[in-house]
Amino acid sequence: AQKVTQAQTEISVVEKEDVTLDCVYETRDTTYYLFWYKQPPSGELVFLIRRNSFDEQNEISGRYSWNFQKSTSSFNFTITASQVVDSAVYFCALSEAVNNNDMRFGAGTRLTVKP
Amino acid sequence: DTEVTQTPKHLVMGMTNKKSLKCEQHMGHRAMYWYKQKAKKPPELMFVYSYEKLSINESVPSRFSPECPNSSLLNLHLHALQPEDSALYLCASSQDSQRDTQYFGPGTRLTVL
Repeated sequence: AQKVTQAQTEISVVEKEDVTLDCVYETRDTTYYLFWYKQPPSGELVFLIRRNSFDEQNEISGRYSWNFQKSTSSFNFTITASQVVDSAVYFCALSEAVNNNDMRFGAGTRLTVKP
Repeated sequence: DTEVTQTPKHLVMGMTNKKSLKCEQHMGHRAMYWYKQKAKKPPELMFVYSYEKLSINESVPSRFSPECPNSSLLNLHLHALQPEDSALYLCASSQDSQRDTQYFGPGTRLTVL
């Protein structure tokens, strides 16, 4: 069965610091999809990125960047020059293609950015 | 437009009440989902509708009854709930399947007294 581990339960940084959120996954499928979502205090899950298993290119979007490494089954998320508005719970999730299983979320990492 | 709307935002109900949660999307998506999220936990999948047919029911108690009147609407009918059902209920939609990106609504915060 697919599994997503976010070992960091809570992280606290000071504004402008860089921070990396870790995500490690397990799957038997060769085709799968990885996601990151942000959940601010308001509750809505905001989609950040989707990556398929055949695309190991790292991606950068503004202050956000993602490092996908199949060799270590990791899909880490880095926020550069963090801001108070980045404070939220961040979820990593995995969906397998072949079995069409439901999308499994990690436990989430609560990020607090202090001014 | 990646908007999924949910009503109501907040709901307080007694254990004998009957209420419904509503979800709507106009992105032409053919898959819609209900999730339940308890405090400090990740969302848990409850139901999946694919092309207006229920495809996954994650062993959810019968006091929760989903309905998909058309491809844009998804309802969750609630009856005889328990206090432990208090949670954030999230609706999501995706283009075709769970391999596609799911877009979430703002959720309904449900309190069962």
